[in-house]
Amino acid sequence: DVKVTQSSRYLVKRTGEKVFLECVQDMDHENMFWYRQDPGLGLRLIYFSYDVKMKEKGDIPEGYSVSREKKERFSLILESASTNQTSMYLCASSWGQGVFYEQYFGPGTRLTVT
Amino acid sequence: GDSVTQMEGPVTLSEEAFLTINCTYTATGYPSLFWYVQYPGEGLQLLLKATKADDKGSNKGFEATYRKETTSFHLEKGSVQVSDSAVYFCALKPGNTGKLIFGQGTTLQVKP
Repeated sequence: DVKVTQSSRYLVKRTGEKVFLECVQDMDHENMFWYRQDPGLGLRLIYFSYDVKMKEKGDIPEGYSVSREKKERFSLILESASTNQTSMYLCASSWGQGVFYEQYFGPGTRLTVT
Repeated sequence: GDSVTQMEGPVTLSEEAFLTINCTYTATGYPSLFWYVQYPGEGLQLLLKATKADDKGSNKGFEATYRKETTSFHLEKGSVQVSDSAVYFCALKPGNTGKLIFGQGTTLQVKP
C-alpha cells in the first residue's frame, strides 16, 4: 500500500515563528503536492513538485516556500507564521498518467498559529 | 479557468436513504473526473474516477457518470449507511497537467 506520512498531526506555533511541515512518501512517486484545507473552500494548492529540486507555485503560494532535496520528501515552510495560516495542511503524491492517475494523501497536519 | 462546483452541505440523511451529491465542472479539453472521500480525522482517499465522457466510475456502492453534455459528475448511492458519514470532494484533472482542482466539499451525515 502507498503510504504518505506527515511529521505532525497537530501543531501550535506563535506568530512570527518559522514552521516546517514534512511529508514523506514511500512509493517512488515523481509528483508531490501541498494543499491547505479550509471549511467552505475545499482544497487549495499551495505548491507542487514534479521532480527533485523542482517546484512550481500553485494557487496560493504567498507566505509559503517548499523544498524537495530527495524524491521521497517534500517540505512546506512558513517563513514567518501568521494567524491567517491557521489551517489543515495536506500533502499528496502521485504517479501515472491517464487512466492510472491517482493522488494519495497523508493524514494532514492541523496547524494553529496564535 | 477550470473549476468545480459542488452542492452545499451539510447533507443529512437517514440510514438506507438514496444519496445524490451534485458536481458540475468547467474545463477546456477533456479532463478526468474524481470523487474523493475524507473520513473524520483522516486524509482524502480516492472513491472513484472516470477518464472520458460516458464512463461510469463505481466503488463501495457509489457511482458517478461523466456527462460531458451537462458538464456533470454527480455522486449517487442507493442506500447509505452510518459509516458513509464523511466529507466528499469532487475534483477534475485537466488533460495537460498533473494537478487536481477540487470542489469545496460536501459533508454527509447519516443518522441511524
